[in-house]
Amino acid sequence: DTAVSQTPKYLVTQMGNDKSIKCEQNLGHDTMYWYKQDSKKFLKIMFSYNNKELIINETVPNRFSPKSPDKAHLNLHINSLELGDSAVYFCASSQVRGGSYEQYFGPGTRLTVT
Amino acid sequence: QQQVKQSPQSLIVQKGGISIINCAYENTAFDYFPWYQQFPGKGPALLIAIRPDVSEKKEGRFTISFNKSAKQFSLHIMDSQPGDSATYFCAASIQGTYKYIFGTGTRLKVLA
Repeated sequence: DTAVSQTPKYLVTQMGNDKSIKCEQNLGHDTMYWYKQDSKKFLKIMFSYNNKELIINETVPNRFSPKSPDKAHLNLHINSLELGDSAVYFCASSQVRGGSYEQYFGPGTRLTVT
Repeated sequence: QQQVKQSPQSLIVQKGGISIINCAYENTAFDYFPWYQQFPGKGPALLIAIRPDVSEKKEGRFTISFNKSAKQFSLHIMDSQPGDSATYFCAASIQGTYKYIFGTGTRLKVLA
């Protein structure tokens, strides 16, 4: 069974559109993350939720809005997409309270904005 | 202070050789140092991790060496195999911050 899953795997859209990426983890973890990996493979954290509470909000344009309906799900909605948003977006999860620091990553969503 | 510097950017090793990737950090508050392996089209996968109270950790062909005074840590891949060809990331974290700071990655190619 997949531990951290994301949908869709590929997303091609035009500038100005609004799109969402969904993430689910079945590890029972209390913390979930969104990362952005650019064309140079650099991994940068965007957001983190612990028990549905936003705890990390890096310097990300407010066109990006995460939502965590429950501990197992974390979605990312992006408004008014721009060319520079093209990247691979990874969801990750970890058990922070009483657990290890290990973060488990999903397979990624490749977003291409044309 | 929040950066983790990783080198080299790319590495080519012959099959059976030793691959060495280095990382350096400034923030002495970091207390957890994982290494991730990423194959093309896949998410990063945890390979091995170390805490600063030990100087070395070995798992199979993978070893982390940690030098607390120099604020450096490195990944050694012994008997490198073509299947090890991937991008490797080091990272550092501070307990309770929930946040990993990743290095810039090293693209390893192991020649058959």
